[in-house]
Amino acid sequence: GEDVEQSLFLSVREGDSSVINCTYTDSSSTYLYWYKQEPGAGLQLLTYIFSNMDMKQDQRLTVLLNKKDKHLSLRIADTQTGDSAIYFCAEKGDSNYQLIWGAGTKLIIKP
Amino acid sequence: GAVVSQHPSWVICKSGTSVKIECRSLDFQATTMFWYRQFPKQSLMLMATSNEGSKATYEQGVEKDKFLINHASLTLSTLTVTSAHPEDSSFYICSARSSGSHEQYFGPGTRLTVT
Repeated sequence: GEDVEQSLFLSVREGDSSVINCTYTDSSSTYLYWYKQEPGAGLQLLTYIFSNMDMKQDQRLTVLLNKKDKHLSLRIADTQTGDSAIYFCAEKGDSNYQLIWGAGTKLIIKP
Repeated sequence: GAVVSQHPSWVICKSGTSVKIECRSLDFQATTMFWYRQFPKQSLMLMATSNEGSKATYEQGVEKDKFLINHASLTLSTLTVTSAHPEDSSFYICSARSSGSHEQYFGPGTRLTVT
């Protein structure tokens, strides 16, 4: 079946940029998403990118998509303590509305 | 906009009892709702997909007689965990999407503890 992979942890210093990476296998992927989950809470849709786009920027967030390599990244500029969370990558194929989820990357902010 | 609520946010119940969790879309009509289960430090596991007015479609390995899903209106879906056991303890999250939209909006989750 289709798969989405992420590294489990990322540690960055406050003020630096964070880059969270994700790879996926579904060549028919139409939308790719980044969700944020804070401890004990549900998921918040941060941003998404359509598969025919290479980049999307939204304030401190930049999403890069390399469709050839099936690689997605989320860059958070000027990382703050409030950015501490687990970030999930997810993709949607073209056949239904179910999402395929990565395992989540825990972002740890060092002072 | 696009707010999804869940109730209760946490519940403790005794083994053998049933628990109902509600998922509501507050400001949009949810054509489709999804129920997920999340174990500690793990990703989301899709349990079932429900379209308003239809029977839910369960993922492989999810017991439909144990996890009863009802999506009777465009703003409400319920998940009932029947005859709960300690291994059912988990974080249950719902999400909803409206017709014609690809975005899923998530509820805040319900922490179920079965003693």
